[in-house]
Amino acid sequence: AQKVTQAQTEISVVEKEDVTLDCVYETRDTTYYLFWYKQPPSGELVFLIRRNSFDEQNEISGRYSWNFQKSTSSFNFTITASQVVDSAVYFCALRLDFSYDKVIFGPGTSLSVIP
Amino acid sequence: EPEVTQTPSHQVTQMGQEVILRCVPISNHLYFYWYRQILGQKVEFLVSFYNNEISEKSEIFDDQFSVERPDGSNFTLKIRSTKLEDSAMYFCASRFGTDTQYFGPGTRLTVL
Repeated sequence: AQKVTQAQTEISVVEKEDVTLDCVYETRDTTYYLFWYKQPPSGELVFLIRRNSFDEQNEISGRYSWNFQKSTSSFNFTITASQVVDSAVYFCALRLDFSYDKVIFGPGTSLSVIP
Repeated sequence: EPEVTQTPSHQVTQMGQEVILRCVPISNHLYFYWYRQILGQKVEFLVSFYNNEISEKSEIFDDQFSVERPDGSNFTLKIRSTKLEDSAMYFCASRFGTDTQYFGPGTRLTVL
């Protein structure tokens, strides 16, 4: 079965601290896609990144970076120099290659950045 | 930048009533989806729709639910007889040929 685990339910950091959100996934498939979505207090789901299982290169986008390690089935997300606007719920998600449809979401990590 | 839109943003209904949630996917997208998020919980897949038919559905998507693409732009989710436990945020999403589903802002459904 496929599953996404985000062990951190809630995290609080002080502004300008770095924070890493953990994501561990389970699948027996060799081809799959991993995603991160942000859900701010307004409720919408904002796409942040997609990674396929053959691309283990880490990615950096501004203050955001992602560390994908197939050996540990992890796809962690780091925010550098956090800001109050980063306060949101962050979801890690998985989609299998054979299914173009269902995206399996993790339970989410609620991040609060305190000024 | 094109985006998925959903109406209404908030719908309040009485238990047993029918509701229709509306979505306008991104115009050149071919695959359409509905997801549900009960307050404080994770986002759950309901159904996917392609070429005017359901391609996959979850166990949540029972006979009380139906989807339709009545014209070339709208994509609707109907709940025939709402229950209290249907109260949730409902997200529409769409996809073209890439692997990323883009989500709308959601409709918050409150069943009283």
